[in-house]
Amino acid sequence: GNSVTQMEGPVTLSEEAFLTINCTYTATGYPSLFWYVQYPGEGLQLLLKATKADDKGSNKGFEATYRKETTSFHLEKGSVQVSDSAVYFCALSMNRDDKIIFGKGTRLHILP
Amino acid sequence: DAGITQSPRHKVTETGTPVTLRCHQTENHRYMYWYRQDPGHGLRLIHYSYGVKDTDKGEVSDGYSVSRSKTEDFLLTLESATSSQTSVYFCAVSESSQETQYFGPGTRLLVL
Repeated sequence: GNSVTQMEGPVTLSEEAFLTINCTYTATGYPSLFWYVQYPGEGLQLLLKATKADDKGSNKGFEATYRKETTSFHLEKGSVQVSDSAVYFCALSMNRDDKIIFGKGTRLHILP
Repeated sequence: DAGITQSPRHKVTETGTPVTLRCHQTENHRYMYWYRQDPGHGLRLIHYSYGVKDTDKGEVSDGYSVSRSKTEDFLLTLESATSSQTSVYFCAVSESSQETQYFGPGTRLLVL
């Protein structure tokens, strides 16, 4: 079946460090891919998305590129801030499927 | 902001009692979802709805039922609450599974 695997956390970095959170997927077909972020005490919100191979999603300094050849959608940011501390979820959805499949989430801590 | 509210925001109840959680939206999105979030499990889909009176099961539907009699409201009922249903419950809405899901603020439920 379709699934999403993302790196386990927590990930702890110092402010201004480079961030990568790995995400790979398994899907029978060509999914749309998403990154959601959950700040403490809140619900999830969309961070970025990509709907076809080689698309790059970007928002708030974060980027992720849809790589069909490696079935990956890794999240990157060049210089993290304390306010980026949150839980990040990778997700996929398929055409003609009513559901989104979420990864288990990666908790990110940024130290000042 | 998709105008999603959840009520109650916090609830403590006893094992064996019925509990109903409400999700209300103001934007008339077609799809509505109920998830639970637990440490180590990420986000798991309980039930979802693709229209008024149209619902289907997710991956952890046992012990839960839902109803959607109006576009704007999606109710989740725990028929006889158990301690294993202690969790944070999130409602989400979207226009389709390919589109962004908008999440509510969550309901924290403790079953004693």
